[in-house]
Amino acid sequence: QQQVKQSPQSLIVQKGGIPIINCAYENTAFDYFPWYQQFPGKGPALLIAIRPDVSEKKEGRFTISFNKSAKQFSLHIMDSQPGDSATYFCAASDSGGSQGNLIFGKGTKLSVKP
Amino acid sequence: DGGITQSPKYLFRKEGQNVTLSCEQNLNHDAMYWYRQDPGQGLRLIYYSQIVNDFQKGDIAEGYSVSREKKESFPLTVTSAQKNPTAFYLCASSIGSLAGVGETQYFGPGTRLLVL
Repeated sequence: QQQVKQSPQSLIVQKGGIPIINCAYENTAFDYFPWYQQFPGKGPALLIAIRPDVSEKKEGRFTISFNKSAKQFSLHIMDSQPGDSATYFCAASDSGGSQGNLIFGKGTKLSVKP
Repeated sequence: DGGITQSPKYLFRKEGQNVTLSCEQNLNHDAMYWYRQDPGQGLRLIYYSQIVNDFQKGDIAEGYSVSREKKESFPLTVTSAQKNPTAFYLCASSIGSLAGVGETQYFGPGTRLLVL
């Protein structure tokens, strides 16, 4: 119930391609869905986040699509660049819960080839 | 310059030794967290603290201990009871659950712990 399942585990695309990373959850109380980007040897950094009242959110080349009925959300990276090569984590939380702790997916290692 | 600092960047532990990882934040956040990261495992929550002088166990607290005596500091001790301590340790902070908002967590740069 508390898990967030993320796929694929790794992804290789050519420069300019549109990698898509998917996440699925079970807990219908989750109402906050952030994505984090992590470069090797660094801490994760918040990339973009969405709440269930919208189906899509875009920030620059990064877009989150959210499907509440399917309990799925995904990250799309438009016009991907080699500098986007990193590990991406989705997460979810119940912000109205007593702790509001984030539950993280296991991560997707993205490699963008020049 | 606001943010979260972790030290040291690398730490070596000998058999039977306790080691302490430092985490400091100047964001005035109430909540702080410790995660362990292993390859292919994502981030697993060790301990978290929503307020000074209070902390709770996360999913993998065995072999670890914490304290929260000051708002800005949340040190993690890896005890000798932790038999497989080699990992990347991440500290994070957020405004606080009491704020009732989605918990955006901000991460430090991490400490890599290695066993000699």
